[in-house]
Amino acid sequence: EPEVTQTPSHQVTQMGQEVILRCVPISNHLYFYWYRQILGQKVEFLVSFYNNEISEKSEIFDDQFSVERPDGSNFTLKIRSTKLEDSAMYFCASSQGGGNTIYFGEGSWLTVV
Amino acid sequence: AQSVTQPDIHITVSEGASLELRCNYSYGATPYLFWYVQSPGQGLQLLLKYFSGDTLVQGIKGFEAEFKRSQSSFNLRKPSVHWSDAAEYFCAVESYGQNFVFGPGTRLSVLP
Repeated sequence: EPEVTQTPSHQVTQMGQEVILRCVPISNHLYFYWYRQILGQKVEFLVSFYNNEISEKSEIFDDQFSVERPDGSNFTLKIRSTKLEDSAMYFCASSQGGGNTIYFGEGSWLTVV
Repeated sequence: AQSVTQPDIHITVSEGASLELRCNYSYGATPYLFWYVQSPGQGLQLLLKYFSGDTLVQGIKGFEAEFKRSQSSFNLRKPSVHWSDAAEYFCAVESYGQNFVFGPGTRLSVLP
């Protein structure tokens, strides 16, 4: 079964550093998402992306965050200047849209120290 | 406001016992409904989903869920729990034009 893949699986970074989390969505999917889960808390929506632009974003997704689909296969989440509270599991997801199942990757653990 | 609730934060059952995890939603129209499972430190795995049709949905690992429109519920069930079922379970909802929203999760512990 096709799957969403994410790299790295775990990254430790110093506060203030830039981080890029990478995702390869399922190839025929059109909608892409990032979610995050702070340890012990619920999964929270960050941003959705369609047709090469952000379609919706949450209040969590402030100016420190950006997303990009640089080459038609990868979908990246960039955090410009990480803060301690950015430590979380970040999930990438993709779907064909129209109510079809959203498939999630295994997640990328980000630890900011 | 649209919301997804899972009333039980933590449930403990004995291995072999039956299980029901509750999920309620508040949406204007019938949404698409999902259950995901997350083992510690792992990603989200889809157990089952409901889009339309038969309101009793079968999923992987012996799980099933029933959509009840009158109660705005989509409870997850399993007749006999295995120790490997211990995990966090998330109900999720997607409604047309709205984002995919997760409930707060229910942590399942299984006693030997």
